[in-house]
Amino acid sequence: DADVTQTPRNRITKTGKRIMLECSQTKGHDRMYWYRQDPGLGLRLIYYSFDVKDINKGEISDGYSVSRQAQAKFSLSLESAIPNQTALYFCATSDPPRDRALETQYFGPGTRLLVL
Amino acid sequence: GEDVEQSLFLSVREGDSSVINCTYTDSSSTYLYWYKQEPGAGLQLLTYIFSNMDMKQDQRLTVLLNKKDKHLSLRIADTQTGDSAIYFCANRGGATNKLIFGTGTLLAVQP
Repeated sequence: DADVTQTPRNRITKTGKRIMLECSQTKGHDRMYWYRQDPGLGLRLIYYSFDVKDINKGEISDGYSVSRQAQAKFSLSLESAIPNQTALYFCATSDPPRDRALETQYFGPGTRLLVL
Repeated sequence: GEDVEQSLFLSVREGDSSVINCTYTDSSSTYLYWYKQEPGAGLQLLTYIFSNMDMKQDQRLTVLLNKKDKHLSLRIADTQTGDSAIYFCANRGGATNKLIFGTGTLLAVQP
C-alpha cells in the first residue's frame, strides 16, 4: 500500500466550482505539504502544516485554503476554481530527524486538475 | 532570494552517460537533493549531498557540487530507458530551511 495517497487522481471541473483535494498518509509524519506543479515552473509550495494545530502559507496560497483534519489527513480546497489553477497537485509529508537539514519529503502520486 | 535553475530537456542514447545540471543562488544552502519523477508518479528522493562535500557516488549515480560556482550536477552512468523521467534539483536554504525545487529536467533516453 502507498504511504501517501491522494484523491481524486484526476478531476475536471468548471470555473467557479468549489473543489477539495484530499491527502492521507500512513507514515505517521507530523509535517504535511501541498505543492502545485506547472510545466516549466517546477514545484511551488501552496500551504504546509507542521502539526494538527499548525497551518502556514506557502509562496502561492492565494485562491486556496487547507484543513488539517488529523495527523494523517491534509485537504486542499479551491473555493472558486479558475482556469489558471489547472495544474498537477502534490501532497508530501516529512518527519524531521534531529538534523532538520536532512529532512526528506515523501510525495503522493499527484492529482491532475483541469479547470474549464 | 532563493532560486534553483535547470535546463528543461536532455536527450541521450541508451548506454551513454547523462549529466543533468543545476545552479542555485542561496550560498547558505545546507543540503542539496536530486529527486526523480517517473510518468504518472510523485517525486522520489534519489540522492542528496551535504554542502561541505564535493562529490558523492552511489552505484550509477555521481553527484558533483561546486560550491564556489553554486553548481550541482547529477551524472547517470550507462543510462537505461528506465531512467527516462523528470529529475528535480532541490536545495535546503540555510536561512529559511525551506526546500526549494528547480523546474525539473526531462531526461529522454533513446534506444
